[in-house]
Amino acid sequence: DAKTTQPNSMESNEEEPVHLPCNHSTISGTDYIHWYRQLPSQGPEYVIHGLTSNVNNRMASLAIAEDRKSSTLILHRATLRDAAVYYCILRGEYGNKLVFGAGTILRVKS
Amino acid sequence: DVKVTQSSRYLVKRTGEKVFLECVQDMDHENMFWYRQDPGLGLRLIYFSYDVKMKEKGDIPEGYSVSREKKERFSLILESASTNQTSMYLCASSFFGRVGNTEAFFGQGTRLTVV
Repeated sequence: DAKTTQPNSMESNEEEPVHLPCNHSTISGTDYIHWYRQLPSQGPEYVIHGLTSNVNNRMASLAIAEDRKSSTLILHRATLRDAAVYYCILRGEYGNKLVFGAGTILRVKS
Repeated sequence: DVKVTQSSRYLVKRTGEKVFLECVQDMDHENMFWYRQDPGLGLRLIYFSYDVKMKEKGDIPEGYSVSREKKERFSLILESASTNQTSMYLCASSFFGRVGNTEAFFGQGTRLTVV
């Protein structure tokens, strides 16, 4: 399984945008880039995913580099409720496994 | 609302006991997963199943077994619980096939303490 690398932790101010980076230099052509987050005392929840083009949904935006070796999850206006561990995961087109790395702990200051 | 339901939120068991953790999903998903989560180690895959009666080992299957007799239910079994199996256990499910383009859904977790 292709690996991802994320910073251990990041800090943001409330109401400001947050850019969470992820490196995946060994990504294959059919791997999708997924992001999940885990709020305290809860199971992980899906945030967004993409293949090649940038993606937007109500929670976040995903910016994918042209060579697909890195991506960035963008929270447009961080709130205290966005404080969580964010996981960047690669998932093959037909792969069944979800393999989680250590993730990035996002702290949001008021 | 789509749901993955784990039978217990908190569980305390004694060393040597046989422990069953149950997970049920209502989305007709083929794939189901069991993870454990420990501080500093993140989520680690124990087993997953892609169909009834089918299973594959994940990264840390030792000391665990699984059962999938019905599509909606995936059970994790600790044959003889040990203190190093004290952990948060998370169940997840997703569609089979072109899964890269689909999301997975997680339960709320079972915090198991083995004393």
